[in-house]
Amino acid sequence: KAGVTQTPRYLIKTRGQQVTLSCSPISGHRSVSWYQQTPGQGLQFLFEYFSETQRNKGNFPGRFSGRQFSNSRSEMNVSTLELGDSALYLCASSLYPDTQYFGPGTRLTVL
Amino acid sequence: AQSVTQLDSQVPVFEEAPVELRCNYSSSVSVYLFWYVQYPNQGLQLLLKYLSGSTLVKGINGFEAEFNKSQTSFHLRKPSVHISDTAEYFCAVSLGSNTGKLIFGQGTTLQVKP
Repeated sequence: KAGVTQTPRYLIKTRGQQVTLSCSPISGHRSVSWYQQTPGQGLQFLFEYFSETQRNKGNFPGRFSGRQFSNSRSEMNVSTLELGDSALYLCASSLYPDTQYFGPGTRLTVL
Repeated sequence: AQSVTQLDSQVPVFEEAPVELRCNYSSSVSVYLFWYVQYPNQGLQLLLKYLSGSTLVKGINGFEAEFNKSQTSFHLRKPSVHISDTAEYFCAVSLGSNTGKLIFGQGTTLQVKP
């Protein structure tokens, strides 16, 4: 069974721009979560979607948003990019709420 | 609120020696516990998990962990490490039912020396 896939793998943007990242979960998984990883803050939870509904949200500003489609694929969007948004963005999917399986991540660099 | 503390930011060890990576958590409710490994420029790979039942959990690559409720710990161990085990290791907790939200520790870098 194919794992979690994320596109693109690398992205370079400039301040003020917006970006959309995509995540395809493992087949049959209905829950998708997003995390931000930075050297200073570590791994932080952004949000979780289940059956197209946001089930949990972390402590991030409204510039960070997401959505989930009927096929469980998910996108996250960051508007008005700041330098501090440079990070590895990880997507994870799960069949049941207990175990998250992670994708390879999207490395976002904001210049 | 839940929190996770990984007590060592870096652990250097010689090849074939045993290793223990320490993890303590804080929670007022029952939690699920996980260890993930991250190799350079990759995502997180699940090593093992504790959901319920036996407190000694065996995972992939020869790793195991023991859940200690009284000490709120979930330390990761391996009896003999290899160079290929060099990576960053993350301990995480979740509240389990009805949420996939994970709270991570800050990570421990395991450096295996020849």
